[in-house]
Amino acid sequence: DAGITQSPRHKVTETGTPVTLRCHQTENHRYMYWYRQDPGHGLRLIHYSYGVKDTDKGEVSDGYSVSRSKTEDFLLTLESATSSQTSVYFCAIRSGGATQVAGANVLTFGAGSRLTVL
Amino acid sequence: AQRVTQPEKLLSVFKGAPVELKCNYSYSGSPELFWYVQYSRQRLQLLLRHISRESIKGFTADLNKGETSFHLKKPFAQEEDSAMYYCALRGGNKLVFGAGTILRVKS
Repeated sequence: DAGITQSPRHKVTETGTPVTLRCHQTENHRYMYWYRQDPGHGLRLIHYSYGVKDTDKGEVSDGYSVSRSKTEDFLLTLESATSSQTSVYFCAIRSGGATQVAGANVLTFGAGSRLTVL
Repeated sequence: AQRVTQPEKLLSVFKGAPVELKCNYSYSGSPELFWYVQYSRQRLQLLLRHISRESIKGFTADLNKGETSFHLKKPFAQEEDSAMYYCALRGGNKLVFGAGTILRVKS
């Protein structure tokens, strides 16, 4: 479905444990994003990638790290999970291209990963 | 820095009434604006791009650079329009979203 999958879809963990969420795409898109969705805050950008091994911070990057060793996979790691990181995490891929091109720069989202940190 | 503001958390209208979901942005460069929608139990999906200047499901949005706004409008709301709507801004490689507005269309 839409060439992007997230795993796991649901996870419950305890404070202080490391957690890794995986985003996998089959579209060969250069750009990949991680967002968290929280009531009252909407979608907030955590990290993004603009190529293999090329990543940058978003709005709420503290406590998160990412890695992209190949085009199709973008991993989000919580080094030591805290209760404030309980959220729904969305991965998205972006088609590139000139702005005027139909469909350019549109985000395609994964189904989301619901993380609960106890 | 780029920022998107959606001032209304919830907008409740009756079926057949006009709808306007507000979006204001802040960005020093040339922005690209989008509206995304999340229907119940569905993935987030694109509704509109400002560059396309098209109408999707009866919705339109015009970029007003003077007022730094990109409000979403529909003349006659339908019950199936009930969803969460997000305004988004692309500046360079970053894509940031507003806090979202829940649209509830009552029969």
